[in-house]
Amino acid sequence: DAKTTQPTSMDCAEGRAANLPCNHSTISGNEYVYWYRQIHSQGPQYIIHGLKNNETNEMASLIITEDRKSSTLILPHATLRDTAVYYCIVRVKGGGADGLTFGKGTHLIIQP
Amino acid sequence: NAGVTQTPKFQVLKTGQSMTLQCAQDMNHNSMYWYRQDPGMGLRLIYYSASEGTTDKGEVPNGYNVSRLNKREFSLRLESAAPSQTSVYFCASSELGARASYNSPLHFGNGTRLTVT
Repeated sequence: DAKTTQPTSMDCAEGRAANLPCNHSTISGNEYVYWYRQIHSQGPQYIIHGLKNNETNEMASLIITEDRKSSTLILPHATLRDTAVYYCIVRVKGGGADGLTFGKGTHLIIQP
Repeated sequence: NAGVTQTPKFQVLKTGQSMTLQCAQDMNHNSMYWYRQDPGMGLRLIYYSASEGTTDKGEVPNGYNVSRLNKREFSLRLESAAPSQTSVYFCASSELGARASYNSPLHFGNGTRLTVT
């Protein structure tokens, strides 16, 4: 699976959009981009995933650049409960059910 | 639905003791996984089971054994606990099996916090 690079930490004001970047410059054509988050002391929570097109669900939007070398997770109206560590992961199609490789992620702090 | 349930939530062991961590999912998922998370680090895969009756090693399998008891349950056993196994252990499951697992999110339990003294 391709390696990802994320900032160690970010701040965002409550009510504003939180934009979390991820670089995956070595991604190949059959690799999906996944985002998870982990709130302190809890298990990781799935947020969203995509291959080429931008995706949106009730939690967030995922914007993938045309060359697929980077992506941005957008939380449209951040709340204090969105404070968590956010993980960007790429996962190969057909790579087997061998789970995900988690890096250190971005610690997002929502400020009141 | 409860999702993924892990027991116990907390455990303290002495070096050399054995124990089994239990995991059950009620989502009829095919694949199940065990991860560990150490302070300041991401999650590392210990073992996984792509389908009932199969298990495979992940990144850090040494010192652990697993059993996929049935489709719902996947247990992790420490035969002789060591202080290096002090960690938070997470179980996860995903709907699809090996061929389509790339398009199948993992759902995690809330972890077992294990301390080995």
